[in-house]
Amino acid sequence: EVQLVESGGGLVQPGGSLRLSCEASGFPFSRFWMHWVRQAPGQGLVWVSRIESDGSSTNFADSVKGRFTLSRDNAKNTVFLHMNSLRVEDTAVYYCVRAARTSDAFDIWGQGTTVTVSS
Amino acid sequence: YDLTQPPSLSVSPGQTARITCSGDALSKQYSYWYQQKPGQAPVLVIYEDAKRPSGIPERFSGSSSGTTVTLTISGVQAEDEADYYCQSADNSGSYFFGTGTTVTVL
Repeated sequence: EVQLVESGGGLVQPGGSLRLSCEASGFPFSRFWMHWVRQAPGQGLVWVSRIESDGSSTNFADSVKGRFTLSRDNAKNTVFLHMNSLRVEDTAVYYCVRAARTSDAFDIWGQGTTVTVSS
Repeated sequence: YDLTQPPSLSVSPGQTARITCSGDALSKQYSYWYQQKPGQAPVLVIYEDAKRPSGIPERFSGSSSGTTVTLTISGVQAEDEADYYCQSADNSGSYFFGTGTTVTVL
């Protein structure tokens, strides 16, 4: 079964850091670009970042650029979102998402992990 | 860039729901549609404007005209009640979602 499982969410104070993990199974992970998408409470979907299949290139939304980094370990089928200088407005459910190989479609989603930034 | 959707839409069972998504970039880039039910992760229902992934019912279809794309649900069923989001990308490697539409089945 194709699956993405996120972990690492929790409560953190403003200015703090958190690392989210996403473990993939059921498909050749090293061939796929991976993304993170977030959804604040009661709000819509917002794209956060993406990493190419070999980890050589990443891109970020302006709202997190300079604060978040993205890495992957293809040997462990895992992608990591490193979040620094967290703000209250970063509070959201964070989804790990697989990009389809031949298009910009987000074809597989994890169930999400919740990040709460609050003092 | 902005992708604009109507906030809400109400439809009776068996009727047709049409959800629009407008944005200048849609004339140059493909669109994608996602269904999200409460407490669940989104699910891809349409890709590259009009293609349907395997497992998605035939009553879901997509179309494109200029700067507007449309998701059509023909013969709406109660289980189609959900939030729907369009999505696209730009040439710089950034991705964008629409504002979302809540579909209520009366």
